[in-house]
Amino acid sequence: DIQMTQSPSSLSASIGARVSITCRASQSITRNLSWYQQKPGRAPKLLIYVASNLQSGVPSRFSGSGSGTDFTLTISGLQREDFATYYCQQSYSTPWTFGQGTKVEI
Amino acid sequence: EVHLVESGGGLVRPGGSLRLSCAASGFTFSSYSMSWFRQAPGKGLEWLSYIVISGGTTYYADSVKGRFTISRDGAENSLFLHMNSLRAEDTAVYYCARDHLGGVFDHWGQGTLVTVSS
Repeated sequence: DIQMTQSPSSLSASIGARVSITCRASQSITRNLSWYQQKPGRAPKLLIYVASNLQSGVPSRFSGSGSGTDFTLTISGLQREDFATYYCQQSYSTPWTFGQGTKVEI
Repeated sequence: EVHLVESGGGLVRPGGSLRLSCAASGFTFSSYSMSWFRQAPGKGLEWLSYIVISGGTTYYADSVKGRFTISRDGAENSLFLHMNSLRAEDTAVYYCARDHLGGVFDHWGQGTLVTVSS
């Protein structure tokens, strides 16, 4: 199975800040990497797919980059509604696996 | 608007069975592969199972292989997860989700809670 490791596990940031979360795969997954946002008590929401493609309706302050084993989710200008937990997920091979999550707090 | 609504969760004793349903609306259900996921209390997301459009091919995580069965009914626009031999560690919120692009999931239900306890 492909292991996904996110860092940091949590971070504190202010409104307007630029935030980056990294995700590392245990082997190359080319660009088969998605990012999801989850708020407490809510279902995950797809933000980014194929490493850098912005899902329809997602604000442009979210961006993704990377390929192979190393990926980054960047939020440029953190908004109050962005405080949540973020997960990366590989779709290169089953079992599809997630990172452990990064909680973004004020 | 795409809607996925899970149902069927509840309290079940260890070793028991449960069938989860996921009612789909707002899109052509028969044109999408689907998956089930779960999230244990306070934990991360875990993919469980996947079924292709035709229903002819399915995939499972090792943690549920042989105990859980995914199925779909195109006439009812519904996805199912049959869960047998339930264990305490199966306690979680279970989500169904639509496959957007081969392992990328663009719409999720609100989840249904399964609690396995004596």
